[in-house]
Amino acid sequence: GAVVSQHPSWVICKSGTSVKIECRSLDFQATTMFWYRQFPKQSLMLMATSNEGSKATYEQGVEKDKFLINHASLTLSTLTVTSAHPEDSSFYICSGDQRGSSYNEQFFGPGTRLTVL
Amino acid sequence: AQTVTQSQPEMSVQEAETVTLSCTYDTSESDYYLFWYKQPPSRQMILVIRQEAYKQQNATENRFSVNFQKAAKSFSLKISDSQLGDAAMYFCAYDRADKLIFGTGTRLQVFP
Repeated sequence: GAVVSQHPSWVICKSGTSVKIECRSLDFQATTMFWYRQFPKQSLMLMATSNEGSKATYEQGVEKDKFLINHASLTLSTLTVTSAHPEDSSFYICSGDQRGSSYNEQFFGPGTRLTVL
Repeated sequence: AQTVTQSQPEMSVQEAETVTLSCTYDTSESDYYLFWYKQPPSRQMILVIRQEAYKQQNATENRFSVNFQKAAKSFSLKISDSQLGDAAMYFCAYDRADKLIFGTGTRLQVFP
């Protein structure tokens, strides 16, 4: 199956700092990339959807000024958590859907654990 | 609004036995996709099985099969010949317009 990587796999930062998480599709071109947040023992919640070269579409309740998404190419999307606070601590997962695929299958990255002190 | 409900927070099964995980969803659409994803302790989401709503035939992938009841909006997952490696969180997901809506998940424990 198609492979998606995320970097870093975990990060610890101080409150008030910004953190950037990279999501790369390694062996396919992703028409669309998705960013999810998963709190402990909870489900995945879609934060935003991004298409290459376009502004991201954020889900209701997600602050677009806090969670900046850049989709620079068909293989790279970044999520920047600006002025992070302890309540932003979570597991962030990205996914991409394969360009030209006949199925609506998303391929998921391994996730990034963010801890804000 | 589309919602996905998994009413079983936890399930357990003995190795080699069969277990069924339940999922119901709410939608007014007629064409959509449904998925079951597995999330092991590594947290990597793995696609288990996919069902297209316009197909009446239930999807099957080796030991995994679904019982798709479109009118009842039910989409259960059956795992046959359970293995220790099947232990994980299982999420049912509804897809329309390329957005995945996940259920709350069912934690499956497999006992030897």
